[in-house]
Amino acid sequence: NAGVTQTPKFRILKIGQSMTLQCTQDMNHNYMYWYRQDPGMGLKLIYYSVGAGITDKGEVPNGYNVSRSTTEDFPLRLELAAPSQTSVYFCASSFRQSTDTQYFGPGTRLTVL
Amino acid sequence: AQSVAQPEDQVNVAEGNPLTVKCTYSVSGNPYLFWYVQYPNRGLQFLLKYITGDNLVKGSYGFEAEFNKSQTSFHLKKPSALVSDSALYFCAVRPPSGSARQLTFGSGTQLTVLP
Repeated sequence: NAGVTQTPKFRILKIGQSMTLQCTQDMNHNYMYWYRQDPGMGLKLIYYSVGAGITDKGEVPNGYNVSRSTTEDFPLRLELAAPSQTSVYFCASSFRQSTDTQYFGPGTRLTVL
Repeated sequence: AQSVAQPEDQVNVAEGNPLTVKCTYSVSGNPYLFWYVQYPNRGLQFLLKYITGDNLVKGSYGFEAEFNKSQTSFHLKKPSALVSDSALYFCAVRPPSGSARQLTFGSGTQLTVLP
């Protein structure tokens, strides 16, 4: 049981480039989340999903897109990378969303130059 | 909208001494409260949560937290700190109803346990 896995671990992008951050969970969780972590700022929710085919915006969705075609996968897409998107990105999942613990992946450190 | 405050960016404690990491919150209704820990270059790991019931919650690695409704606090405590407890600690809160977007994290407290 690998839990939540994320790829890549590190990535450097040039301004205007695009990329997809991959997230997969093998716990059959319904809910999945994408957060970004900036120094001294805690975690901010970018997007979340309550099941395959259903996604919704979080607190900071601008510049990002998501899809959820399967229960296991929840990729995050950056279309036109900007320096403001330099951050550490965490994917998480939970069985239910109200009282359940969220399980986090190891993170992707993204730098946009 | 709810909010979480972790008033101390950094807490230093000697090994073997008790430790406290502070958290206060603002939310409508009875809150759901969580503590997570982050070790260097790792994702967040769940420590404990308060949903309802006994105000004293026990969690992983000997940590506990006390829910104090009148003071709107949920401080994390451990009777005897270990050097291996050194990490970044996050408090989080969400209201009892509402969508998943309403889990709010504090800014984090860096705990350093000195040998």
